[in-house]
Amino acid sequence: KNEVEQSPQNLTAQEGEFITINCSYSVGISALHWLQQHPGGGIVSLFMLSSGKKKHGRLIATINIQEKHSSLHITASHPRDSAVYICAVRSNYGGSQGNLIFGKGTKLSVKP
Amino acid sequence: GAGVSQSPSNKVTEKGKDVELRCDPISGHTALYWYRQSLGQGLEFLIYFQGNSAPDKSGLPSDRFSAERTGGSVSTLTIQRTQQEDSAVYLCASSLLGHRNEKLFFGSGTQLSVL
Repeated sequence: KNEVEQSPQNLTAQEGEFITINCSYSVGISALHWLQQHPGGGIVSLFMLSSGKKKHGRLIATINIQEKHSSLHITASHPRDSAVYICAVRSNYGGSQGNLIFGKGTKLSVKP
Repeated sequence: GAGVSQSPSNKVTEKGKDVELRCDPISGHTALYWYRQSLGQGLEFLIYFQGNSAPDKSGLPSDRFSAERTGGSVSTLTIQRTQQEDSAVYLCASSLLGHRNEKLFFGSGTQLSVL
């Protein structure tokens, strides 16, 4: 079982819909990142969370440390939101505490 | 520079040749990561540098892969005797570890094609 699981793997939405992408993890963490990767493009950091909730424009990220779960929400989705969204956790166990564990990503397509 | 810079952006090489990939992190960032991403796949961790600590090399797939970080800044990933399965995008990221509002900053990657 992967230490970081994202769902769904693929998501198709109509423009304007409210979108939720989920991330569950099984290790102790010090932080969780949400990243965005456009087709053929680089990776951009959207949020870094250690507790609670953060909002930036139409994007909202929440984390529940007790349940080891985070969600990324997109309100009023737009075709330009089409990208792969990646969840990554910074583990705080043993070895190197800097290591990041990545989910496999959620591919979002927003249709006009 | 303002961001993480990687060079070259594209590299085509013949099987068996050695290649060097370079990463210039954001100035002052103490943490530097190398990842690779095969087509349609997720990110695969390769190696992590943090300040003067010994690097975490646990992700390097074979002894053909090695990396250095000189002076706590520029890093070079070297792949010896390249194989076709080494073809991928190699990504570098840096961060200021421990900063409250820490974000990861990624370079644009090096597309490596081994023929």
